Amino acid sequence: QVTLRESGPALARPTETLTLTCTFSGFSLTTSGMCVSWIRQPPGKALEWLALINWDDDKYYKTSLKTRLTISKDTSKNQVVLTMTNVDPLDTGTYYCTRTHDGQLAFDPWGQGTQVTVSS
Amino acid sequence: VVMTQSPATLSVSPGERVTLSCRASQSVWSNLAWYQQRPGQAPRLLIYGASTRATGVPVRFSGSGSGTEFTLTISSLQSADSAVYYCQQYNHWPPYSFGQGTKLEIK
Repeated sequence: QVTLRESGPALARPTETLTLTCTFSGFSLTTSGMCVSWIRQPPGKALEWLALINWDDDKYYKTSLKTRLTISKDTSKNQVVLTMTNVDPLDTGTYYCTRTHDGQLAFDPWGQGTQVTVSS
Repeated sequence: VVMTQSPATLSVSPGERVTLSCRASQSVWSNLAWYQQRPGQAPRLLIYGASTRATGVPVRFSGSGSGTEFTLTISSLQSADSAVYYCQQYNHWPPYSFGQGTKLEIK
């Protein structure tokens, strides 16, 4: 069974760096074709894809956030980490991690999400 | 690729049939997915490849379309279908793009 779980601080202050961790099980990010993405959702708004990392350590980012985002993986821990620098109240929302792979190009499954509020 | 969903909200009675629409600003072939997001929950994959139901998805849910026009049809609505539904293209990435969602309310 594939599962993903996000973790991180519930509250961040403006200008701080936010670090979110996705811990997964049921698959390996060393398997060819495997990818993990981060997606966020501001309160009451739509889903927004942020970043992806694949088995070969290729990384892709939403263009408008590229300078603030870093995605990385630790295959020994089955974790993917997303860091976001210089956070702003507009970064408030729920952050999800999810998987794609060669056999399933849609996002499935999703973690339960971690809520982040950026406020002073 | 900009994904546009219509309508924004929909209120339908139990047992009825409903059709949600999704339009892509350029062709995404059949590389389109639909997700259901119930209140307070993470999104759940319903349909991929425009028309293939994900594992465990009831047959009441069906998807159709290709290119730029897509629909999600839910037949015989149940109270559990009350949710926001998102379409998403995965043909042209990065970035992946989602529609703004259709909120389905069951009367």
